[in-house]
Amino acid sequence: DTEVTQTPKHLVMGMTNKKSLKCEQHMGHRAMYWYKQKAKKPPELMFVYSYEKLSINESVPSRFSPECPNSSLLNLHLHALQPEDSALYLCASSQGGGTVGYTFGSGTRLTVV
Amino acid sequence: AQSVTQLGSHVSVSEGALVLLRCNYSSSVPPYLFWYVQYPNQGLQLLLKYTSAATLVKGINGFEAEFKKSETSFHLTKPSAHMSDAAEYFCAVSPHSGNTGKLIFGQGTTLQVKP
Repeated sequence: DTEVTQTPKHLVMGMTNKKSLKCEQHMGHRAMYWYKQKAKKPPELMFVYSYEKLSINESVPSRFSPECPNSSLLNLHLHALQPEDSALYLCASSQGGGTVGYTFGSGTRLTVV
Repeated sequence: AQSVTQLGSHVSVSEGALVLLRCNYSSSVPPYLFWYVQYPNQGLQLLLKYTSAATLVKGINGFEAEFKKSETSFHLTKPSAHMSDAAEYFCAVSPHSGNTGKLIFGQGTTLQVKP
């Protein structure tokens, strides 16, 4: 299995809703990432988990809450989002560094209404 | 801090023509370098990567890139463009040592292929 699987592929939520994005990989990668990508822009790093511990938080608002239940799963819990949070949310994994590269999922297209 | 600059936000070529997408990096130590492609409404797919082995790197779909330390460049080329190559291309850099992989992207180049 050489894929990163993200669910759901599309999500529409209201500003008072609570929802979660899920990411799963079975490549044995020990680093997992959340990126946010706005239209016509490059992905922006949000969080990095290394060996199931949060190692980087790029000053992301607290309405985004990451969770890494185990080495294969990464969640992003969403609460009280704003319309400007609408974007493509990408999950990625890597074998702990840059030598091998990063495998990206196909993303969750989030729309906040 | 490391950064990546992609020259040209939009490149248009004719089908069968040479594709050249430019990428320059800034780093005191040669980093790991990557090219990714993104088709509409999809994630990023790795085209190729440079990890301090051969300076000429061959990737998927006929793409290749050459690492030139003297020019701090990692330009992406393909001899003959296909219509299916139309997509967004991102150059990215990762520090060379001791990190969990903070991948830094350039601004992206949209490749248009005309029939």
